[in-house]
Amino acid sequence: DTEVTQTPKHLVMGMTNKKSLKCEQHMGHRAMYWYKQKAKKPPELMFVYSYEKLSINESVPSRFSPECPNSSLLNLHLHALQPEDSALYLCASSQTGGGQGGVETQYFGPGTRLLVL
Amino acid sequence: DAKTTQPTSMDCAEGRAANLPCNHSTISGNEYVYWYRQIHSQGPQYIIHGLKNNETNEMASLIITEDRKSSTLILPHATLRDTAVYYCIVRGRGGSNYKLTFGKGTLLTVNP
Repeated sequence: DTEVTQTPKHLVMGMTNKKSLKCEQHMGHRAMYWYKQKAKKPPELMFVYSYEKLSINESVPSRFSPECPNSSLLNLHLHALQPEDSALYLCASSQTGGGQGGVETQYFGPGTRLLVL
Repeated sequence: DAKTTQPTSMDCAEGRAANLPCNHSTISGNEYVYWYRQIHSQGPQYIIHGLKNNETNEMASLIITEDRKSSTLILPHATLRDTAVYYCIVRGRGGSNYKLTFGKGTLLTVNP
């Protein structure tokens, strides 16, 4: 089973709202990722968690706050977003995050389509 | 990671083989070739990857040239559901191996 689930599928929020995106995997993977994909563009990495610790932050604004409560769950907390943050937010997981020097296959969820008004 | 070059778009007739090329002329010896696809508004789906040898799985075959400067993803019997953007990604050990750097990919349209 290579399933990564994400909720909600769609989200509409105002610029003053606080919301959270959720990602879950039960493959025993210890690395989880957030990617952002703007319309007609390829996905771009935002954050990497490895063994529940934030290992990579690709200079993402602080209005995006990731959290990894346990090895199966990954959240992305959103606060004071801008309309230009509207995008498809993708979660992925892999075995360890490549920290051992290896190259790992990442498996993606279906994404959450976010619209900021 | 080495850069890749793919055609912007390709068409294929349903039931025929779809052959998607990728050039990666600057690939180094320890870099893998990965293929993902993304059906409209869905998350990227892993297809296959390889280092030197040709690879086959239930979805596709990956043919890597002997000099490793190019590869071809083959979908043996394309269906309408194979219409998607196909990304060829070269990834190596170490450095930024933690992330997938997607290029523009090839939009494959399978026609009835």
